Amino acid sequence: EVQLVDSGGGLVQPGGSLRLSCTASGFTFSSFWMSWVRQAPGKGLEWVADIEQDGSETYYVDSVKGRFTISRDNAKNSLYLQMNSLRADDTAVYYCVRDNGYADVWGQGTTVTVSS
Amino acid sequence: DIQMTQSPSTLSASVGDRVTITCRASQSISTWLAWYQQKPGKAPKLLIYKASSLESGVPSRFSGSGSGTEFTLTISSLQPDDIATYYCQQYYSYLFNFGPGTKVDIK
Repeated sequence: EVQLVDSGGGLVQPGGSLRLSCTASGFTFSSFWMSWVRQAPGKGLEWVADIEQDGSETYYVDSVKGRFTISRDNAKNSLYLQMNSLRADDTAVYYCVRDNGYADVWGQGTTVTVSS
Repeated sequence: DIQMTQSPSTLSASVGDRVTITCRASQSISTWLAWYQQKPGKAPKLLIYKASSLESGVPSRFSGSGSGTEFTLTISSLQPDDIATYYCQQYYSYLFNFGPGTKVDIK
């Protein structure tokens, strides 16, 4: 079964850091672009970051540039999102997705809450 | 950056009705458009890709059309299970982005 499992969310103070992880199974992870998509409470979907198959090319939404870093370990079938200098408006459910241009596989989501 | 809009923002219809949602892009995206369905508390689910290709396992009452800047998602006969929010998404250029969503409920 093709599956993505997200983890690493939690409560963090403004200015703090958090690292999200996503473990893939059921497909050849190293063959696909991968992405993080988030959804703030009661809001729509926002594509946050994208990474090429070998990690050499990445893209970020302007609001997270310089604060978030997307990375991957193909040997571990894992995707990561390092989030630094977190702000209240980063509060959201974060989804790991398989990127075929469209997101055809989604993780279950992990919740990040930034609050003092 | 490409901006995506959707109309209407909310929609109430009866079971069995034909429902149409429109998505517009601020510039031509050819047919690089996807549609998703999201139910409360759940991850979104891919319905349509490349504007009109039905994802495997998605009921045939869902269809997509359009190219360039204007696209539609049609539900041919609305079912109670279709109550959800629907999003379009462009993948013509990075960073990909979504429309604001259309909430569909039963009248």
